[in-house]
Amino acid sequence: DVKVTQSSRYLVKRTGEKVFLECVQDMDHENMFWYRQDPGLGLRLIYFSYDVKMKEKGDIPEGYSVSREKKERFSLILESASTNQTSMYLCALAERDKNIQYFGAGTRLSVL
Amino acid sequence: GENVEQHPSTLSVQEGDSAVIKCTYSDSASNYFPWYKQELGKGPQLIIDIRSNVGEKKDQRIAVTLNKTAKHFSLHITETQPEDSAVYFCAARDNQGGKLIFGQGTELSVKP
Repeated sequence: DVKVTQSSRYLVKRTGEKVFLECVQDMDHENMFWYRQDPGLGLRLIYFSYDVKMKEKGDIPEGYSVSREKKERFSLILESASTNQTSMYLCALAERDKNIQYFGAGTRLSVL
Repeated sequence: GENVEQHPSTLSVQEGDSAVIKCTYSDSASNYFPWYKQELGKGPQLIIDIRSNVGEKKDQRIAVTLNKTAKHFSLHITETQPEDSAVYFCAARDNQGGKLIFGQGTELSVKP
């Protein structure tokens, strides 16, 4: 089974804090994605990566950055958290040139 | 780029009835359409997918139909069971970047 591990299930941060969300895989898949999930808006792509040290902006990258120093780890960074970044964050991964994405359980982030 | 609309946002059925969820997409070049199921506290999981060269695909109680002319596709669940209760997302593969564009989600409730 594909295992996608997100470091925290729940996280509470204060406005202005720098926040790191970690995603780790054990499958050696090349492609990794960060989405945010909000009621009525579905899943929206923030950033994705097709390889180590490579990153591409998704549909809503503003206020976020990412890091992929190792193939198995893809980090989402909120440089200065704001209340409108309160959301569920989902990490996903896929094999190169394959369509199926495998999701982690998600991190529910609250920014106060 | 691609845009996906999903309806209804909520759906309640009696156990044993059928459930239908519909999605429309905007980019006629899109060629891959997956459906994901998200159970409470879990990440989305692929349940069925269809490619644009096929009009219908079935897997036991679930089926997906695709109308390329009208640019819409639907998920059909027959003989619903309480364990079918979940949030369902449709998606379309963006032909320009290869990303998945998700619909807004449908919360399905199957009442015993």
